[in-house]
Amino acid sequence: AQSVTQPDIHITVSEGASLELRCNYSYGATPYLFWYVQSPGQGLQLLLKYFSGDTLVQGIKGFEAEFKRSQSSFNLRKPSVHWSDAAEYFCAVVGLPFSSNTGKLIFGQGTTLQVKP
Amino acid sequence: DAGITQSPRHKVTETGTPVTLRCHQTENHRYMYWYRQDPGHGLRLIHYSYGVKDTDKGEVSDGYSVSRSKTEDFLLTLESATSSQTSVYFCAISEAAYRGGNTGELFFGEGSRLTVL
Repeated sequence: AQSVTQPDIHITVSEGASLELRCNYSYGATPYLFWYVQSPGQGLQLLLKYFSGDTLVQGIKGFEAEFKRSQSSFNLRKPSVHWSDAAEYFCAVVGLPFSSNTGKLIFGQGTTLQVKP
Repeated sequence: DAGITQSPRHKVTETGTPVTLRCHQTENHRYMYWYRQDPGHGLRLIHYSYGVKDTDKGEVSDGYSVSRSKTEDFLLTLESATSSQTSVYFCAISEAAYRGGNTGELFFGEGSRLTVL
């Protein structure tokens, strides 16, 4: 069965420091991968997505992620964190082969990012 | 922002009572989803719909039913609420966009917080 693991439940970084959030997936075929961000009391917003092609994808708010098939990973990075980046981050994979056409997402458990001044 | 409205946004109810949550979209998207969010579990799919009157179960569907009589509305019903259904419920929508399939790129509502006493 497909699954997504985010090994870090909680991460604290200093403002201006670099950030990397880890995501590992279990999926038999070429995955469609996503990172979403959730600010407190809000719904989820798409940061970036990977479908195919260039394995380094750029997203909104200065985030990027790199797909590494050999490691089954899709880690999220940002060179310099801002206080407004404090939020919960979710990695997700489409839960069925593309041909199933239902687009159900399987989410990881989430990583809470705290930013120190 | 995607036009997704969830109602009610907050509800407190007692064990054994029926509860209906409503998701209304103005985007005319084909796919609609109900997720629940619980600490340590990320988001888990309850039910989803791939068209009017077309619905299917997700991974945590026990105790929930759904209906979709119009493209714009997707209702989630708890026939007899239990304390284990205390959660934040998110509606999401999606549209087939890539090679005619569903890419899994979801747009989320702001959530409905349900407390069952």
